[in-house]
Amino acid sequence: GENVEQHPSTLSVQEGDSAVIKCTYSDSASNYFPWYKQELGKGPQLIIDIRSNVGEKKDQRIAVTLNKTAKHFSLHITETQPEDSAVYFCAGGYTNAGKSTFGDGTTLTVKP
Amino acid sequence: NAGVTQTPKFQVLKTGQSMTLQCAQDMNHNSMYWYRQDPGMGLRLIYYSASEGTTDKGEVPNGYNVSRLNKREFSLRLESAAPSQTSVYFCASSATGRSFGNTIYFGEGSWLTVV
Repeated sequence: GENVEQHPSTLSVQEGDSAVIKCTYSDSASNYFPWYKQELGKGPQLIIDIRSNVGEKKDQRIAVTLNKTAKHFSLHITETQPEDSAVYFCAGGYTNAGKSTFGDGTTLTVKP
Repeated sequence: NAGVTQTPKFQVLKTGQSMTLQCAQDMNHNSMYWYRQDPGMGLRLIYYSASEGTTDKGEVPNGYNVSRLNKREFSLRLESAAPSQTSVYFCASSATGRSFGNTIYFGEGSWLTVV
């Protein structure tokens, strides 16, 4: 089955700096890669996703890049703000069926 | 639009007791899931149901049973609770298919403590 590894496990940045979280996956058939944000005491929520036919996707201050050859994808957050502090999960899966496999999460702390 | 609703929010059990976590979604999704999240750890899949009438084991199914009651509802049962099952439990659902992407929508979580 799919195996997703996520790094780093913790990340601390100054407000205004950029943050990058990286994930690798094992199954070359995976074609859907979402990122979730989990705030304290809540369930994870989708913040951005990318499909395997696209190399990059942006949504305001967040972006995701995908390298299918190397089987890795990354989340980029620019101009970080304190409200970006949360746990972020990557996942790998399939658009048309089956369950996604989650990484172990990255705890991002943005210092004001 | 409620999304995914799970109950109870908090529960304390004694070792050996049984209980059922209830979950319902109002998004007409085919797939439903139960995850557990331990402190500082990621999400581990307990069971999932790809469609009404089907269930499959995930990574950590031991000690749990599930029932996909209908398309909306997916319950998780602990038959004989153990301290190792102290965790936060998340129910989730998704609509699979190329136009949907398989985004998973999570409930707010159920905090379970077994003493």
